[in-house]
Amino acid sequence: QSVLTQPSSASGTPGQRVTISCSGSSSNIGSNYVYWYQQLPGTAPKLLIYSNNQRPSGVPDRFSGSKSGTSASLAISGLRSEDEADYYCAAWDDSLSGWVFGGGTKLTVL
Amino acid sequence: EVQLVESGGGLVQPGGSLRLSCAASGFTLSSYWMSWVRQAPGKGLEWVANIKQDGSEKYYVDSVKGRFTISRDNAKNSLYLQMNSLRAEDTAVYYCARQLAPDYWGQGTLVTVSS
Repeated sequence: QSVLTQPSSASGTPGQRVTISCSGSSSNIGSNYVYWYQQLPGTAPKLLIYSNNQRPSGVPDRFSGSKSGTSASLAISGLRSEDEADYYCAAWDDSLSGWVFGGGTKLTVL
Repeated sequence: EVQLVESGGGLVQPGGSLRLSCAASGFTLSSYWMSWVRQAPGKGLEWVANIKQDGSEKYYVDSVKGRFTISRDNAKNSLYLQMNSLRAEDTAVYYCARQLAPDYWGQGTLVTVSS
């Protein structure tokens, strides 16, 4: 059972916009930055969004992040087949004094 | 180019020990927090441990406290994870990552705990 809650799966067709939610609590998302990672099959995770809504250089602006209270969301617009991957949210948890991840969302491009 | 290369994984019996290493290049290791994150087969990501730039602060997930020790040698551009009293549930790919909030990850090394 992950500290951060994500839907186990999401799907969309090419060109669509999809969102993935991440729910936490006051000790993690509510008081710290949220990060999002993309993990393509058989590869290491890649940082997609940092500090709630910032994109590292090289990440397309089709990817965007937002946070409100104790929840966060990752939005992917103009969905492409290469976006098919697992997506994880993460945040520091003050109560645990540790880093917590969501359980991951498997995105399928139909 | 930032590169992180893990090594030291393998098959070990329950109760055994293993030491993972991570060779860092393309950046100044001494300027960054470093992390270990693991992923059990077919499962999600789990943070394992963090270490501050000078090694003065270390944090661990509860399930490994007292069994695992994170350390670093900035002069050798290396990060380590000493794993003792290994259990079957420690079986995972172990990733070395840069920063408290990881921005670069290695390719991972597989640790299998089985008799």
